[in-house]
This record gives sequence, C-alpha cells and structure tokens, in this order.
Amino acid sequence: GQQVMQIPQYQHVQEGEDFTTYCNSSTTLSNIQWYKQRPGGHPVFLIQLVKSGEVKKQKRLTFQFGEAKKNSSLHITATQTTDVGTYFCAALSRGATNKLIFGTGTLLAVQP
Amino acid sequence: GAGVSQTPSNKVTEKGKYVELRCDPISGHTALYWYRQSLGQGPEFLIYFQGTGAADDSGLPNDRFFAVRPEGSVSTLKIQRTERGDSAVYLCASSLNPNTGELFFGEGSRLTVL
Repeated sequence: GQQVMQIPQYQHVQEGEDFTTYCNSSTTLSNIQWYKQRPGGHPVFLIQLVKSGEVKKQKRLTFQFGEAKKNSSLHITATQTTDVGTYFCAALSRGATNKLIFGTGTLLAVQP
Repeated sequence: GAGVSQTPSNKVTEKGKYVELRCDPISGHTALYWYRQSLGQGPEFLIYFQGTGAADDSGLPNDRFFAVRPEGSVSTLKIQRTERGDSAVYLCASSLNPNTGELFFGEGSRLTVL
C-alpha cells in the first residue's frame, strides 16, 4: 500500500537555527497537507499544497510540493522554542478514496 | 461545542473486554475519520466515513474492530476482545470537504489494555 516517509526522524537545533523536514511518497499525490502536533496534543492543520511545484509561506514556515507531486518539504527559518513538536505530512493519493495517509513524522527539539 | 469531541479521554480495560469509543464531529462536517496513534508514531488510518457509510475501512486491523455512524454525525469505534497491542491513542477527525479539506482532530481517547 501507499507509504509516506519523512526524514529526519528527529532534529535538535539551537534556537535561531533553520530546520527542514522532507516527505516522500511512493505514489503520485493529489495533494499534501502538513500538520503539527505538540507534545501531548493532537495534530493541527498547517497548510495544504495541491499544484505541482507549489510553494507557500506562512511567516517563518515555507512549504513546497515537488514537481512530480511525490515529495514535499517544510522549512522553518530561525526556529523558536514555540516551534517544538512533531511535524507530519499527510498525503492523499491520486485516484484513491479520500483516505489521508500520515507520514512518519519529524520531531523537532529547539534548545533556547 | 465548536470542536471535535471524543469520549472517554482515557480508558483502562482488561484484556478480552469490549470497548466503545465515541466521536462527536464538528457540526456540518460530512467526513469523519478514525486514526490510531502509538507513541512516537504517526497517526495510522483506520476508517473513513462519508455521511453514514464507511467509504474506506481498509485500515481496520482485523474483525475485532468495527465502527458505525448511523445518523451521519456521531461515530462509535467498537473493539471486541481487546488485546494489549490495541493500547494506543485513538484519534477522531472530521472534515467539511472530503475531497481536499483539512482535518480537525479531537483530543483523542487513550486506550490502555492491561
């Protein structure tokens, strides 16, 4: 079945450093969503990308969808302690039911 | 309430017992999802409802797991003959647009099977 892999699994940065997580799918995607889950919390929607090569920005966060619609990335500029949490991509396969498959997640730790 | 509500928030049961977990989605959201999340893992898809019908139940691990949504709103996830491996946080999410919309998650029901 469809798999969505994320790397790295864990990243520890100093506050102010940049951070990037990558999401890769084995199949072509209709769209991709990104969620953030704080420790002890539930996933919260960040953004959705639909078009090939699409780039969206939210303040210090930049999201990109690959040209082949099989990969995506999330980049955080100048991390803050409030960025701590696990970042998941979630993919909707083209041609499949509306079953959103979550990636393995990247846990971000930010040291002040 | 304004968000997705899940009850109970915490359930401890013994191996072999029957458990029901309830999800009350955001009003007007036609799509409802159940996921299971173990510590350090991403949410694992279980089942997706569009209205009253299960549009995709391919994630249910075996026939001990069953979910219903009889009136297209509240959903119940039922687990028979629970096993220790069923211990996890069970997350419910709802969506306004089943094709492309964001999922709104509840706080989850933490199930512990002793």
